[in-house]
Amino acid sequence: DSGVTQTPKHLITATGQRVTLRCSPRSGDLSVYWYQQSLDQGLQFLIQYYNGEERAKGNILERFSAQQFPDLHSELNLSSLELGDSALYFCASSVGSENTYEQYFGPGTRLTVT
Amino acid sequence: AQKVTQAQTEISVVEKEDVTLDCVYETRDTTYYLFWYKQPPSGELVFLIRRNSFDEQNEISGRYSWNFQKSTSSFNFTITASQVVDSAVYFCALSEAKAAGNKLTFGGGTRVLVKP
Repeated sequence: DSGVTQTPKHLITATGQRVTLRCSPRSGDLSVYWYQQSLDQGLQFLIQYYNGEERAKGNILERFSAQQFPDLHSELNLSSLELGDSALYFCASSVGSENTYEQYFGPGTRLTVT
Repeated sequence: AQKVTQAQTEISVVEKEDVTLDCVYETRDTTYYLFWYKQPPSGELVFLIRRNSFDEQNEISGRYSWNFQKSTSSFNFTITASQVVDSAVYFCALSEAKAAGNKLTFGGGTRVLVKP
């Protein structure tokens, strides 16, 4: 158990809908990351927050947005969902914002868009 | 642009055999970090090791060992005397120091199947 929690574990929704994925980092970690794992794209970095501020951005679609709250939990919002958004979404956390720190991953949220 | 290549998509071995997973990376940065993660069938990603670009010493942890060679841009991972519990997908990843934040670029992964 990495100490990173993600809810829900599974999510099934229809095209065009909007969902929110939630992540709580390990105690003491200030950075939160979101990754998407799909069969065709592999594991891809989406976005990083550090202590409430956006720190780095990857190939995150405009339909997706994220934020980190004062209590350091983070939410990833996915809107106007398409079939291709079906994937496993991971949250990770680390103590600091730079790459001297390893990232610890949560169990993931499996999103199925029908 | 940074890139990680794991050429082996799947490796099948019999228990107690050794297995080596290849990882080749590309980066223009002189300071970078390399990682290995394990994804067992349950789906979570488990951190195994981090190595910085200035430390080329090989590392051993139990049955796991890692060989980092900057000359060939490789960071290979060997499981000695494999066990069924080693069956998983293994990912190599790279993070560049000059890039903003701590983005991990992952390879495509190598699925290891250890048969009893």
